[in-house]
Amino acid sequence: EVQLVESGGGLVKPGGSLRLSCAGSGFTFSNAWMSWVRQTPGKGLEWLGRIKSTATGGAIDYAAPVKGRFTISRDDSENTMYLQMNSLEIEDTGVYHCTTDNSLGTFDDWGQGSLVTVSS
Amino acid sequence: DIQMTQSPSSLSASVGDSVTITCRASQSITTYLNWYQKKPGEAPKLLIYTAYSLQSGAPSRFSGSASGTDFTLSISSLQPEDSATYYCQQSYTIPRTFGQGTKVEIK
Repeated sequence: EVQLVESGGGLVKPGGSLRLSCAGSGFTFSNAWMSWVRQTPGKGLEWLGRIKSTATGGAIDYAAPVKGRFTISRDDSENTMYLQMNSLEIEDTGVYHCTTDNSLGTFDDWGQGSLVTVSS
Repeated sequence: DIQMTQSPSSLSASVGDSVTITCRASQSITTYLNWYQKKPGEAPKLLIYTAYSLQSGAPSRFSGSASGTDFTLSISSLQPEDSATYYCQQSYTIPRTFGQGTKVEIK
């Protein structure tokens, strides 16, 4: 059974930083393309970015609102993906999910999410 | 970016009713359109992929169709457990984009 578990969320002040982790199990993590998707009160579901598997080049794509502030990375030896978030804004408040990103561009498996609150 | 527009934003229907949700893409995405169900406190679940295909484990009362840039999610006989918000998502290109969601309530 595929399991994805996010951690690292919390309360942070505007301008601050936070790093989320996503631990995967029940599948071959190193072969998986992975994405981050967040749910915010104002915008519903929002795709943030994707990292391809190392075997297919490991390229990373970002959504415009987070490009330059957020960084996605992966450690296949730990079956873990990361989301480094810098220069956080109040509008970044929401629940952050990691997902598998499959060949048809579908998000088949999701973690339960990690709550990030940006507030002074 | 490709814009996805869902309608209605919310609806209320009775158990046993048939329900239809529409999603329109701002440009051609062929059939790279997926539907998700989101309940409060739970992770989203993939229901339909590539416009028509039912995800393994999803109830057969859910179905999808397409006509040009217009897509529909249908629920043939609404059940109490279908109370949720439904999102469409295009996987034709990067960035992936979602519709704004349709909240389905049971009368």
